[in-house]
Amino acid sequence: DGGITQSPKYLFRKEGQNVTLSCEQNLNHDAMYWYRQDPGQGLRLIYYSQIVNDFQKGDIAEGYSVSREKKESFPLTVTSAQKNPTAFYLCASSRRQLSNYGYTFGSGTRLTVV
Amino acid sequence: GESVGLHLPTLSVQEGDNSIINCAYSNSASDYFIWYKQESGKGPQFIIDIRSNMDKRQGQRVTVLLNKTVKHLSLQIAATQPGDSAVYFCAEARDTGFQKLVFGTGTRLLVSP
Repeated sequence: DGGITQSPKYLFRKEGQNVTLSCEQNLNHDAMYWYRQDPGQGLRLIYYSQIVNDFQKGDIAEGYSVSREKKESFPLTVTSAQKNPTAFYLCASSRRQLSNYGYTFGSGTRLTVV
Repeated sequence: GESVGLHLPTLSVQEGDNSIINCAYSNSASDYFIWYKQESGKGPQFIIDIRSNMDKRQGQRVTVLLNKTVKHLSLQIAATQPGDSAVYFCAEARDTGFQKLVFGTGTRLLVSP
């Protein structure tokens, strides 16, 4: 089955550590996205990538970094510069033309700072 | 429509009632709209979409209505069930070239038995 996989499902980070969240898709989608969701709130865009080796900042990119070396993969690193990283992180992918389902989302990674 | 950290409004209904969730979108040039359902601890899932050349589209127990004059989108759920309890997001885009979806704030639907 085609889909988008995020791992791990739960992640714990100590203060000052960098952590990397994995996102892999086998839908042959060109575009990939990372969103942050805080409890009881909506989706905020962190970074997105339209094509391999290219990515753009979203609305809340500070303290995060990404890479897009392969079409299938779009990992997100939460750096120590992100002062409040505890949140639910969602990865998504899409075709360049959005019709037919828009984005496909992963099941999310819940990051907690301990 | 940008989702910017506002707490979600809540709609509470009884099982069997019809639910109507509303969304005001921001860009009059948007021509593609989607409703997503997000259950607790999961990623959003596609429910139904509509293009701007339509004003109504029906799925299984769901109907989306689009009023371009007032930039308003609604999702109607017939005979609401406890399994419909979730957060519902609308999203808009211009489906030409590459354009990111812009998500609404979201509405939490609570269904009581």
